[in-house]
Amino acid sequence: NSKVIQTPRYLVKGQGQKAKMRCIPEKGHPVVFWYQQNKNNEFKFLINFQNQEVLQQIDMTEKRFSAECPSNSPCSLEIQSSEAGDSALYLCASSRLGQDTQYFGPGTRLLVL
Amino acid sequence: GQQVKQSSPSLTVQEGGISILNCDYENDMFDYFAWYKKYPDNSPTLLISVRSNVDKREDGRLTVFLNKSGKHFSLHITASQPEDTAVYLCAAGATASSSFSKLVFGQGTSLSVVP
Repeated sequence: NSKVIQTPRYLVKGQGQKAKMRCIPEKGHPVVFWYQQNKNNEFKFLINFQNQEVLQQIDMTEKRFSAECPSNSPCSLEIQSSEAGDSALYLCASSRLGQDTQYFGPGTRLLVL
Repeated sequence: GQQVKQSSPSLTVQEGGISILNCDYENDMFDYFAWYKKYPDNSPTLLISVRSNVDKREDGRLTVFLNKSGKHFSLHITASQPEDTAVYLCAAGATASSSFSKLVFGQGTSLSVVP
């Protein structure tokens, strides 16, 4: 069973508001991924980290989204100015170095009104 | 475009039968293939995965078949049980290009195992 922790489980924001969600990866997993699952069940990769360093990110993430994985603190994903289209399930996953398997957290379900 | 496709959004199987879930991919660089199980409101849980150097992997009632030339992989669940009812997601990654490759997911197949 995955031990990735995500908070909050549910988040409701108005358009234009900031939305911040957190992820604690499994112990010993330095690689962290963020995915967005929309209402059509489509997964979209957003960004990944090794420790504090960004490895890959998509264009969307570079603009309104910001993410970080500070040492000794939870990783976070923040939407600076939420839009209705951001309503989705945001999943965090972690993995060990050199291993393919990603372990997912329960997700944060964001609703932007 | 959708790089990983699950053409069947839903599948119903009789209890005790074999459930066959299919997944097609487009990217020749994919070398890691996985099946995840997702209950409603729960996170995806890894069921089984294979690297591209094998064609088949078994784990209990689960078997993954990989057809690289056809860019296709499938999950077979034998002796299907009502507890197998869930959404099954296939995923693929190109790990050779990056040790920390993102996964590309299909849209899922909702499996229902009926008595």
